[in-house]
Amino acid sequence: EVQLVESGGGLVKPGGSLRLSCAASGFTFSTYSMNWVRQAPGQGLEWVSSISTSSSYIYYADSVKGRFTISRDNAKNSLYLQMTSLRAEDTAVYYCARDAWPGPFDYWGQGALVTVSS
Amino acid sequence: DIQLTQSPSFLSASVGDRVTITCRASQGISSFLAWYQQKPGKAPNFLIYPASTLQSGVPSKFSGSGSGTEFTLTISSLQPEDSATYYCQQFDNYPYTFGQGTKLEIK
Repeated sequence: EVQLVESGGGLVKPGGSLRLSCAASGFTFSTYSMNWVRQAPGQGLEWVSSISTSSSYIYYADSVKGRFTISRDNAKNSLYLQMTSLRAEDTAVYYCARDAWPGPFDYWGQGALVTVSS
Repeated sequence: DIQLTQSPSFLSASVGDRVTITCRASQGISSFLAWYQQKPGKAPNFLIYPASTLQSGVPSKFSGSGSGTEFTLTISSLQPEDSATYYCQQFDNYPYTFGQGTKLEIK
């Protein structure tokens, strides 16, 4: 059974940093591109970042470019999102999602809540 | 960036009805479009990709069509459990944009 489990969410002050993790199981992690998608409270879905199987190709939404860094460790079946210079508008539930490239996002984690507030 | 515009944003229908949600792309995306269902407090659930191919296990009451710039998701024989927000997403090019969502209420 495919499972994606996010961790690392929490409350952080504006300008602070946080690192999200996504632990994958039930599939060969190294053969799938992976993504982060976020959803602000009461709002729609926003794609954040994608990383290819060997980390050769990485893409970011303009809203996070230069502040967020996506990475993966295929040996640990894990996906990461390092978030820096956090802003109030980054407050959201962050989902990791498996990518049956090119699309769709066929499996999603349960989400990790990140709250940026003083 | 490719913009996706869903209509309507809100839809109210009765049990047994059939409804159609439209997703329009700002430029042609071939059939690189997916549909998702999201219930409150839950992660999105993948329904259809590309454009008209139902994901394994998804009931046949869901159907998708379209290519290029205009796509539709049709849900027939509505049941209370179909109450959710539905999103389209394009995979033609990065950024992989989503539509703004269509909230479906079952009366």
